[in-house]
Amino acid sequence: DSGVTQTPKHLITATGQRVTLRCSPRSGDLSVYWYQQSLDQGLQFLIQYYNGEERAKGNILERFSAQQFPDLHSELNLSSLELGDSALYFCASSVEIRTDTQYFGPGTRLTVL
Amino acid sequence: EDQVTQSPEALRLQEGESSSLNCSYTVSGLRGLFWYRQDPGKGPEFLFTLYSAGEEKEKERLKATLTKKESFLHITAPKPEDSATYLCAVQDYGQNFVFGPGTRLSVLP
Repeated sequence: DSGVTQTPKHLITATGQRVTLRCSPRSGDLSVYWYQQSLDQGLQFLIQYYNGEERAKGNILERFSAQQFPDLHSELNLSSLELGDSALYFCASSVEIRTDTQYFGPGTRLTVL
Repeated sequence: EDQVTQSPEALRLQEGESSSLNCSYTVSGLRGLFWYRQDPGKGPEFLFTLYSAGEEKEKERLKATLTKKESFLHITAPKPEDSATYLCAVQDYGQNFVFGPGTRLSVLP
């Protein structure tokens, strides 16, 4: 158990809908990262937040957005969902803004029908 | 554009049969190269970070090395519990992470 929690574990929804994925980092970790893992594209970095501020952006679509709240939990919002958005979404956390050890959560499996 | 490739795609070893996994990369400016282990349906587990060519790190049966264009993960006398997908990733100075497709390792008893 990494100490990172993600909810929900599974999510099934329809195309065009909007969902919110939640992540609670390890106690004391200020950085949160979001990743998408699909069979055809592998693991892709989406975005990083540090202490409430956006710090780095990867391959995040405009339909996706994230935020980190004052209690350091983070939410990833996915809107206008498409079939291709079906994937495992992982959250990871680390202590500092540029630390090398990221602790990954168990993931949220999103299925878009 | 940063790129990471890994070979082989899959590897089957007998218990005790040592081998190496390869990670080749191109990156605008390497801040760090990372190795992770991932079990099916679970999040990746951090193994190593390497920063500069010539650097080596070891943990139990695993040893990671880095050159200017590739990294190797050496597995010595593997056990069945070492079976997993091993992921390599690079981070550039823009803080972006790029992951390779992984190598699926199976260690047979």
